[in-house]
Amino acid sequence: DAGVTQSPTHLIKTRGQQVTLRCSPKSGHDTVSWYQQALGQGPQFIFQYYEEEERQRGNFPDRFSGHQFPNYSSELNVNALLLGDSALYLCASSRGPYAPLHFGNGTRLTVT
Amino acid sequence: GQQVMQIPQYQHVQEGEDFTTYCNSSTTLSNIQWYKQRPGGHPVFLIQLVKSGEVKKQKRLTFQFGEAKKNSSLHITATQTTDVGTYFCAGGNTDKLIFGTGTRLQVFP
Repeated sequence: DAGVTQSPTHLIKTRGQQVTLRCSPKSGHDTVSWYQQALGQGPQFIFQYYEEEERQRGNFPDRFSGHQFPNYSSELNVNALLLGDSALYLCASSRGPYAPLHFGNGTRLTVT
Repeated sequence: GQQVMQIPQYQHVQEGEDFTTYCNSSTTLSNIQWYKQRPGGHPVFLIQLVKSGEVKKQKRLTFQFGEAKKNSSLHITATQTTDVGTYFCAGGNTDKLIFGTGTRLQVFP
């Protein structure tokens, strides 16, 4: 039974570029949440997807967008990358929007 | 917006000593969850508390949810080196789960 899988594990991009991160939820889970974690900080909520719709959004600009597919997998897109976007991006899945989260190993994004 | 703070930020203890981290939310929570993140790892779910005043135990770990559902605590009895990591509380309100600032625990043998 695979857990939450994220790809890629590491990514280096240049300021101004665009990036797409991918997430496959744990088997049986239908909800995906995305978090940004800067070094030494707690995870910051970006948004949550359920039934292919964005249900809740944190305090992130419109440069951050996402999508959920019919198979419950999800993508996080970030446009016009800034140096401050360098962080660990965590995907978490759950069985419904209110259930405990199961996290993937994350994608480490470095913007130079 | 909703904020969740934790104290202390860091705690260094000798193996065998007890450890407590406190979590405070600026708003009333529908539930509180606790996660542990080992260095270099991802957060791992420990427990969820839903009821006012609820207390739950997991072996040496005791979790408590405040009567007003705005604060919580995690107490570890007789710490072990395997307890090393950062402990996050996460407050549930509507559909968002907001993580606290975390308490980093270091245990010296």
